[in-house]
Amino acid sequence: NAGVTQTPKFRILKIGQSMTLQCTQDMNHNYMYWYRQDPGMGLKLIYYSVGAGITDKGEVPNGYNVSRSTTEDFPLRLELAAPSQTSVYFCASRHRDRGPPRYEQYFGPGTRLTVT
Amino acid sequence: AQSVTQLGSHVSVSEGALVLLRCNYSSSVPPYLFWYVQYPNQGLQLLLKYTTGATLVKGINGFEAEFKKSETSFHLTKPSAHMSDAAEYFCAVSQGVDTGRRALTFGSGTRLQVQP
Repeated sequence: NAGVTQTPKFRILKIGQSMTLQCTQDMNHNYMYWYRQDPGMGLKLIYYSVGAGITDKGEVPNGYNVSRSTTEDFPLRLELAAPSQTSVYFCASRHRDRGPPRYEQYFGPGTRLTVT
Repeated sequence: AQSVTQLGSHVSVSEGALVLLRCNYSSSVPPYLFWYVQYPNQGLQLLLKYTTGATLVKGINGFEAEFKKSETSFHLTKPSAHMSDAAEYFCAVSQGVDTGRRALTFGSGTRLQVQP
């Protein structure tokens, strides 16, 4: 298993440009998440999905959009990039619990985005 | 609402010394607690977790943590630091009931430096 993969690894955007951060998992996980990590701030939840076709906002959703058309893929779209979106973005996934809950999430390697 | 506080954004120890990274949480329901490690330019890797049962949990790489409900703490320890332990460590909490998204709330992280 490749686990959770993210592309690209690095990207520089100009203010106002748009882009899509890709996330794919091959573990057949139902739940998927997007976090951003700012220096000294820990990780903040942007959006999450509990299954194909179902998405919802997290703590910091403004300026982002997501879709979940398949179990494997959970792309994050940035429209009209702003300097405040300069961050490291992590995608994560986890199983739906059957039996004793586990809750641990599996993380991708991250995408480092700079908006100038 | 749940929250996590990690005391000390930077901790420096000598190789072979005890490692103690502090984590306190707040949660209105029984928490599930996690420690993740992040090596430079990598994603987060699960070190250990507490869900139910034994309050002293052992993880990978010789780390362990003890859940103390009365102190709302989940401190991470390792008896003898190794140079390879240098990384950033995140404490996280997930509520132990079905909150729909079951996302993790992260602390701001502690950077561990190991001196030779």
